[in-house]
Amino acid sequence: DSGVTQTPKHLITATGQRVTLRCSPRSGDLSVYWYQQSLDQGLQFLIQYYNGEERAKGNILERFSAQQFPDLHSELNLSSLELGDSALYFCASSVDGSSYEQYFGPGTRLTVT
Amino acid sequence: ELKVEQNPLFLSMQEGKNYTIYCNYSTTSDRLYWYRQDPGKSLESLFVLLSNGAVKQEGRLMASLDTKARLSTLHITAAVHDLSATYFCAVDVMDSNYQLIWGAGTKLIIKP
Repeated sequence: DSGVTQTPKHLITATGQRVTLRCSPRSGDLSVYWYQQSLDQGLQFLIQYYNGEERAKGNILERFSAQQFPDLHSELNLSSLELGDSALYFCASSVDGSSYEQYFGPGTRLTVT
Repeated sequence: ELKVEQNPLFLSMQEGKNYTIYCNYSTTSDRLYWYRQDPGKSLESLFVLLSNGAVKQEGRLMASLDTKARLSTLHITAAVHDLSATYFCAVDVMDSNYQLIWGAGTKLIIKP
């Protein structure tokens, strides 16, 4: 158990809908990262937050957005969902703004039908 | 462009054999990470290599880092079925706001 929690574990929704994925980092970690992993694919970095502020953006679609709250938990919002958005979404956290070792949550499996 | 290349991308091997996974990267970095992922599961940190010449071992896995060659290796000794997984390497690039740049992963299948 890495100490990073993600909810929900599974999510099934229809095309065009909007969902919110939630992540709580390890106690003491200030940085949160979001990744997308499609079936049998590698990791696609989406976005990083550090202590409430956006630090870096990767291949994140305009339909996706994220934020980190004062209590350091983070939410990833996915809207106008398409079939191709079906994937595992991972949240990871690290101690500070330098990535060093990232600790991954269990992931949220999103299925868009 | 920052790149991290792993090879092979797929490896099927017999139990008891030795093999090495290679991770090449295209930029200066002193920090490299190896992760393991079981199918449908999360990523688990295996090794953190923080300097040139670093070598770390855990059971049948040994990782090393050569920053001058921009190369890390993950060596598997006398493979067992439980080591079947996908292995990712990632490089810490300070110029990219401390993002990790990830390799594509090596899917390792170890047959009894």
